Amino acid sequence: EAGVAQSPRYKIIEKRQSVAFWCNPISGHATLYWYQQILGQGPKLLIQFQNNGVVDDSQLPKDRFSAERLKGVDSTLKIQPAKLEDSAVYLCASSSRLAGGPGDTQYFGPGTRLTVL
Amino acid sequence: DAKTTQPTSMDCAEGRAANLPCNHSTISGNEYVYWYRQIHSQGPQYIIHGLKNNETNEMASLIITEDRKSSTLILPHATLRDTAVYYCIVRVANSGNTPLVFGKGTRLSVIA
Repeated sequence: EAGVAQSPRYKIIEKRQSVAFWCNPISGHATLYWYQQILGQGPKLLIQFQNNGVVDDSQLPKDRFSAERLKGVDSTLKIQPAKLEDSAVYLCASSSRLAGGPGDTQYFGPGTRLTVL
Repeated sequence: DAKTTQPTSMDCAEGRAANLPCNHSTISGNEYVYWYRQIHSQGPQYIIHGLKNNETNEMASLIITEDRKSSTLILPHATLRDTAVYYCIVRVANSGNTPLVFGKGTRLSVIA
């Protein structure tokens, strides 16, 4: 089966510009996550969707970051305006819901590497 | 914050077993131990998970101590392609789709 797709793979912008990332999860996966990974650290959750609803966005800097998942499939993550500290890899992951199972396996995309100058 | 402690880095000779330790002394009874790895320029990849019994799959074995306060991921015959950062994560079971809380992981270097 096809994996999680993300685009673009790389993006370089100047501070105060805006940028958007796109994610297409594995077909049929109801849950979608966006993680931010700063160099040298593990990924950190930004937002979690269940179908097209937000489950957890407590870690999302809402003054500049926004995300949506229209129709419960693809998702976009936007940053406006970008700051230097937003330089990171943005990872999208998806998972299916296994009722009664021990959680689920999250499948990650390759990520988008953002550099803010 | 991550509830696990892992060594920052480890080396392993190619063809030998790689044993990656993880401490999770505050693990709760309903939390599983998950292992993911991240190869350079890729997203994290699921390896294995377990509750209290030892687990084995085509990628690795997971050994969990009887008190569940620590575990070891074993790659039986490490290859150069196993060079990656390995993350040990504890996660509540049967809670629907909860996010993964990553620490800094262990950087494993497999040496020819």
